[in-house]
Amino acid sequence: TQLLEQSPQFLSIQEGENLTVYCNSLSVFSSLQWYRQEPGEGPVLLVTVVTGGEVKKLKRLTFQFGDARKDSSLHITAAQPGDTGLYLCAAIKNDYKLSFGAGTTVTVRA
Amino acid sequence: KAGVTQTPRYLIKTRGQQVTLSCSPISGHRSVSWYQQTPGQGLQFLFEYFSETQRNKGNFPGRFSGRQFSNSRSEMNVSTLELGDSALYLCASSLVYLGQGGEQYFGPGTRLTVT
Repeated sequence: TQLLEQSPQFLSIQEGENLTVYCNSLSVFSSLQWYRQEPGEGPVLLVTVVTGGEVKKLKRLTFQFGDARKDSSLHITAAQPGDTGLYLCAAIKNDYKLSFGAGTTVTVRA
Repeated sequence: KAGVTQTPRYLIKTRGQQVTLSCSPISGHRSVSWYQQTPGQGLQFLFEYFSETQRNKGNFPGRFSGRQFSNSRSEMNVSTLELGDSALYLCASSLVYLGQGGEQYFGPGTRLTVT
């Protein structure tokens, strides 16, 4: 069982539409990170959320950390083909190992 | 500032052989972590090195080992390769170790294929 459950696994939308990716866990984390990975490349850190209820915005991307610090969401407004990629959430467990969700593959069609 | 570099980018090995992968972190970063990424298991933590010491280790067999040099460069070794070791191996560097909440910067990975 994955420590971090991501949903949906795949998402295919038209350019200009909105999308939301979810990352859920039964555990409480001190912080949670979101990455985007493109084919043939390593993951790139997008944001780190630390405080329960925190909302961070990065251009058209909005990240939210749940009040109980067990879940997070990533919302993309007016998606563009350049947003295509594998979105991964990750958190550091009590044993100081970074654990990743299985990822959500997002495809934005032009 | 240069990013994390990994060499080689692609590698094909035969079952039973061993392989060494190299990672050069961002200048000034002292923590290097290694990950294995496969379609079935996703990204899994292998180990973390900080100031030449292994700080943490994931749930992988002893065939997987690593080390870090005084200049923070790191190598990962896999002995007696198995078909299931075929994967993208990623390293990531950060200023502080994971336990301190270090933000990681990943390299492009080494694609290992075992035949």
